[in-house]
Amino acid sequence: DIQMTQSPSSLSASVGDRVTITCRASQSISSYLNWYQQKPGKAPKFLIYAASTLQSGVPSRFSGSGSGTDFTLTISSLQPEDFATYYCQQSYSTPLTFGPGTRVDIK
Amino acid sequence: EVQLVESGGGLVQPGGSLRLSCAASGFTFSHYWMHWVRQAPGKGLVWVLRINSDGSSTSYADSVKGRFTISRDNAKNTLYLQMNSLRAEDTAVYYCARDSGGIWGDAFDIWGQGTMVTVSS
Repeated sequence: DIQMTQSPSSLSASVGDRVTITCRASQSISSYLNWYQQKPGKAPKFLIYAASTLQSGVPSRFSGSGSGTDFTLTISSLQPEDFATYYCQQSYSTPLTFGPGTRVDIK
Repeated sequence: EVQLVESGGGLVQPGGSLRLSCAASGFTFSHYWMHWVRQAPGKGLVWVLRINSDGSSTSYADSVKGRFTISRDNAKNTLYLQMNSLRAEDTAVYYCARDSGGIWGDAFDIWGQGTMVTVSS
């Protein structure tokens, strides 16, 4: 199974800050990497697929990069609605696996 | 509106069974692979099962193999999860999710609101 890790596990940031979250796969997954946002009590929301392609309707302040084993999710200017938990997920092989999540909260 | 609505969750004793349903609307259900993803209280997301568009092929996480069965009725636009021999560690919110159908593997582009399953005596 492909193990996914994320860092940091949590971070505190202010509105307007640039935020970067790192995701690492235990083996190369090319660009088979997706990102989700989840707010408390809600279902996850699909943000980015193929490591760097924004899902339709996702604000352009979100961006993704990376390939192989190392990936990043960047929020260029944090907005109040962005405080949430972010998960990466590999779609390279089954079992499909998620990272443990990164919680972004208000400083 | 594209929508997935789960139902069937509840409290069940260890060793018991439960069947979840996921009603799809707003898209051509029979064209899409579908998944179940679960989330234990306060924990992260865990993929559980996948079914292809016509129901002829499935994939399971090892943790549920032999106990859970995924199926679908394309005439009713409904996805199912039959859960048998339930354990305390199966306690979670269960989400059905649509596969995006892209070339970059299985991603989940539409999610239901989730249904809570609690396994406890």
